[in-house]
Amino acid sequence: AQSVTQLGSHVSVSEGALVLLRCNYSSSVPPYLFWYVQYPNQGLQLLLKYTTGATLVKGINGFEAEFKKSETSFHLTKPSAHMSDAAEYFCAVSDRRAGGTSYGKLTFGQGTILTVHP
Amino acid sequence: NAGVTQTPKFQVLKTGQSMTLQCAQDMNHEYMSWYRQDPGMGLRLIHYSVGAGITDQGEVPNGYNVSRSTTEDFPLRLLSAAPSQTSVYFCASSYSILNTEAFFGQGTRLTVV
Repeated sequence: AQSVTQLGSHVSVSEGALVLLRCNYSSSVPPYLFWYVQYPNQGLQLLLKYTTGATLVKGINGFEAEFKKSETSFHLTKPSAHMSDAAEYFCAVSDRRAGGTSYGKLTFGQGTILTVHP
Repeated sequence: NAGVTQTPKFQVLKTGQSMTLQCAQDMNHEYMSWYRQDPGMGLRLIHYSVGAGITDQGEVPNGYNVSRSTTEDFPLRLLSAAPSQTSVYFCASSYSILNTEAFFGQGTRLTVV
């Protein structure tokens, strides 16, 4: 079964500092990988995704993530935090194997709340 | 563009009551799903559907029923509400089962007392 671990339930950074949110997955086959963001009292919005091709993926709002197969990781970064980045971030995976037990189903990590200080 | 619409936004139920959470999408998406969000646990899949007339269980299906009579609608029914079902519920849809991008509704905050 697939699983996703997000290291750190809360991350706090200063405005202008680097944002690094960590995500590791467990899967026998490299899955599809996603980062979603949730602002207070809102649904989830897709930030970026990795399905195939280039392992460094760029998303919206200046975020990017790198798929590292050897480390089974998909960490999310942003060079310079902005106050508007304060939100909860979720890493998720989906099985890429047709007929696999998790095919098409999103498995989410526990979430990381990002706080940005002035 | 309405996207994914969930109703109601808030609901309080008494233990044992039943209710239906509504979800509708106007993007002609094949794949729809229901998640519940609990603090520190991320989102967990309750039920999903790969098309009209086809549904299947997710990770936490007990106490919930679904049906998919049309492409647009995917209601979630709580048969006999329990306090353990207090949660925020999200409906999501995507073009296909591959979930290359899932669109989420705004959520329904349910409290069972």
